Amino acid sequence: NAGVTQTPKFQVLKTGQSMTLQCAQDMNHNSMYWYRQDPGMGLRLIYYSASEGTTDKGEVPNGYNVSRLNKREFSLRLESAAPSQTSVYFCASSEGPGGYTEAFFGQGTRLTVV
Amino acid sequence: GENVEQHPSTLSVQEGDSAVIKCTYSDSASNYFPWYKQELGKGPQLIIDIRSNVGEKKDQRIAVTLNKTAKHFSLHITETQPEDSAVYFCAAAWYGSYQLTFGKGTKLSVIP
Repeated sequence: NAGVTQTPKFQVLKTGQSMTLQCAQDMNHNSMYWYRQDPGMGLRLIYYSASEGTTDKGEVPNGYNVSRLNKREFSLRLESAAPSQTSVYFCASSEGPGGYTEAFFGQGTRLTVV
Repeated sequence: GENVEQHPSTLSVQEGDSAVIKCTYSDSASNYFPWYKQELGKGPQLIIDIRSNVGEKKDQRIAVTLNKTAKHFSLHITETQPEDSAVYFCAAAWYGSYQLTFGKGTKLSVIP
């Protein structure tokens, strides 16, 4: 049982390049999330998908887009990467709202924008 | 929106001693308070959570206490072991919300 799988694990981008971070979960969870983690800043929510077919902005959505491809997959796209987007990105999933069900996190994607 | 403050940012304890991490929150509507542990190179993992209708919850060596009036909650780890070394995050949300607000984390080091 893999849980939440993120690809790639590491990525270096040049400023202005685009890329998509992939996330898949095998727990049949309804809700999925994208967070970024920066030193001394904790985890901040970028976007979430309450259920298949819906997406909503979190605390720091600027510069990102998301797609809930199906119940299993939730991708995060950077259209024109900027150095300020250098971070570790975590995908998570939960059965229901994060306010009352456990969120399961992937291993993270370490992204560097130069 | 919600704001969660977490202290201390780093904590070193001797093996076998207790460790306490404290968090305060700003939104009185918040009523769900989980704690996550993040080991090096891994994603956070839930270790314990508490809801606002409960004042304390224990699970073996870890416990969480909640003071709704003062809007603060704490994580207590007793008889610490080297494998407790990690970064710990507190979080807050109101029941049914999709938005967990995290504290900035506490790096706990347990010295053998």
